[in-house]
Amino acid sequence: QQQVKQSPQSLIVQKGGISIINCAYENTAFDYFPWYQQFPGKGPALLIAIRPDVSEKKEGRFTISFNKSAKQFSLHIMDSQPGDSATYFCAASTGGGADGLTFGKGTHLIIQP
Amino acid sequence: DSGVTQTPKHLITATGQRVTLRCSPRSGDLSVYWYQQSLDQGLQFLIQYYNGEERAKGNILERFSAQQFPDLHSELNLSSLELGDSALYFCASSVGTSGATGELFFGEGSRLTVL
Repeated sequence: QQQVKQSPQSLIVQKGGISIINCAYENTAFDYFPWYQQFPGKGPALLIAIRPDVSEKKEGRFTISFNKSAKQFSLHIMDSQPGDSATYFCAASTGGGADGLTFGKGTHLIIQP
Repeated sequence: DSGVTQTPKHLITATGQRVTLRCSPRSGDLSVYWYQQSLDQGLQFLIQYYNGEERAKGNILERFSAQQFPDLHSELNLSSLELGDSALYFCASSVGTSGATGELFFGEGSRLTVL
């Protein structure tokens, strides 16, 4: 049972454009929603995270939008740069993040110069 | 550098064999998590330990086992290996308390190839 569904599987965006990755979850007990970024040969690293008491969180060019009623959240990368090319994973957890993360299957993002 | 150390980085073995993957968490982190990453399944949660005790179990096969030692390092044991066990195995650590930020710090993984 896939508890976090992520789309698209791959995405190509021109430099300077907006990259959008979407995730949907099923477990209403989830209360922590992070996004992880993974470069080839490296482990995933936390990019940005949100809790369900807010609908949006912005950190630099990265924004999470959260829709609790629809059980969906998304990552927007503004002014996308070639250095943003990586695999992005959404995830969800219970226990405010203290419990293990359930990951989406990942989005391979390529930013074309 | 996340501060999480995994060894070995690469491992090639044959079907039916047994291997042990080792993880040293960040200094001060009490929780250790093991994940399996494959191309078609993404990051699959295997098991979590907190301060030496098993805390949560995910999609871990009976052929796999793990433990966390008093010095907080952890080992993942994979036995009776099959071709399908070939994957990248990640260890992650966190503070692991209810008041924590929830951030997991991942190592660079151990790539297992079963021939």
